[in-house]
Amino acid sequence: EAGVTQSPTHLIKTRGQQATLRCSPISGHTSVYWYQQALGLGLQFLLWYDEGEERNRGNFPPRFSGRQFPNYSSELNVNALELEDSALYLCASSMGGNTNYGYTFGSGTRLTVV
Amino acid sequence: KNEVEQSPQNLTAQEGEFITINCSYSVGISALHWLQQHPGGGIVSLFMLSSGKKKHGRLIATINIQEKHSSLHITASHPRDSAVYICAVSWIGNQFYFGTGTSLTVIP
Repeated sequence: EAGVTQSPTHLIKTRGQQATLRCSPISGHTSVYWYQQALGLGLQFLLWYDEGEERNRGNFPPRFSGRQFPNYSSELNVNALELEDSALYLCASSMGGNTNYGYTFGSGTRLTVV
Repeated sequence: KNEVEQSPQNLTAQEGEFITINCSYSVGISALHWLQQHPGGGIVSLFMLSSGKKKHGRLIATINIQEKHSSLHITASHPRDSAVYICAVSWIGNQFYFGTGTSLTVIP
């Protein structure tokens, strides 16, 4: 069974540009979670999508947005990139919104803003 | 103040030693998770706990809901256990709070 897949693995963008990160959940999982792990900081919760709807978001500005498609894959968009957006962005998926069954992480997209 | 505190921040052990990593949290939770992050960033979910104790191989996780505390134990540690271990709590709206991680190095 394929795990959670994220693309691209690495992404280099210039300040002010937009970045789009993609995540495909495990088959059968309907919830997708996005996290940011900036250098020197811990993981921070960004967004939770379930059944195509944004269910919750962390303390991030509106230029961080995303969507979930009918096949449950998801995109994270970061507009007007700033240098401090450089981080590892991790996606996880779970069965429904119930993380009591655990959730599975992808291997991440490393975004570098120059 | 962080909602999730982990200790120690860094830990070096000799192969074979018994290791304990602690996690304290200050919010009401629906579940506590232990995650393992290897160099390069890949994360593996080790345990999800809402009460009691779970064991998987050489790993044991316990939680005390009243004391808002969890421990992750590694028995007979091995160099391949070297990783960052992260405690996370989930609560309403699947909001997650993460500890800053414990960097474990096991020396042969």
